[in-house]
Amino acid sequence: GENVEQHPSTLSVQEGDSAVIKCTYSDSASNYFPWYKQELGKGPQLIIDIRSNVGEKKDQRIAVTLNKTAKHFSLHITETQPEDSAVYFCAANFNKFYFGSGTKLNVKP
Amino acid sequence: GAVVSQHPSWVICKSGTSVKIECRSLDFQATTMFWYRQFPKQSLMLMATSNEGSKATYEQGVEKDKFLINHASLTLSTLTVTSAHPEDSSFYICSARVNGITDTQYFGPGTRLTVL
Repeated sequence: GENVEQHPSTLSVQEGDSAVIKCTYSDSASNYFPWYKQELGKGPQLIIDIRSNVGEKKDQRIAVTLNKTAKHFSLHITETQPEDSAVYFCAANFNKFYFGSGTKLNVKP
Repeated sequence: GAVVSQHPSWVICKSGTSVKIECRSLDFQATTMFWYRQFPKQSLMLMATSNEGSKATYEQGVEKDKFLINHASLTLSTLTVTSAHPEDSSFYICSARVNGITDTQYFGPGTRLTVL
């Protein structure tokens, strides 16, 4: 089956800096790559997604890039704010979702 | 749009009792829903895929007789943890696919189950 690896496991940045989280996947048949933000005690919230026919997608301060050849995709958050602090999960879809292990992002004011 | 609710948000029960968790798609129809389990500081583990009007598909290692899933309508799936034991204590989260969109999943807020 699919295997998704996510790095780093924790990331601490100063408010206003950028944050980058990277994921790799193993199955080239995976065709959809969402990113979720999960706050403590809550369910995951979809923040951005990208399909395999697109290389980059941006939504305000958040962007996702996909390199199908290298089988990796990344989440980029610019101008980070304290409210961006949460755990972020990537996923790859191949009939079902395969999640990465999560990245705890801490934005220091 | 694409809001998923769960009820209850938390539940405490005694060992040996059964607990039912509801997952509802509030503003869309969902033929397919998913049930996940999440342990503290860990990722989401898919337990089963629930399809309206048919039997659920369970992931390897998940006991179907212990975790009963019923998807009786296009907006409601239920997970019943039967004869719950302390090791069943966990955060249970459902998600739903919007009909006609084959991949995007919207998640509910989760249910915290504590078995004493």
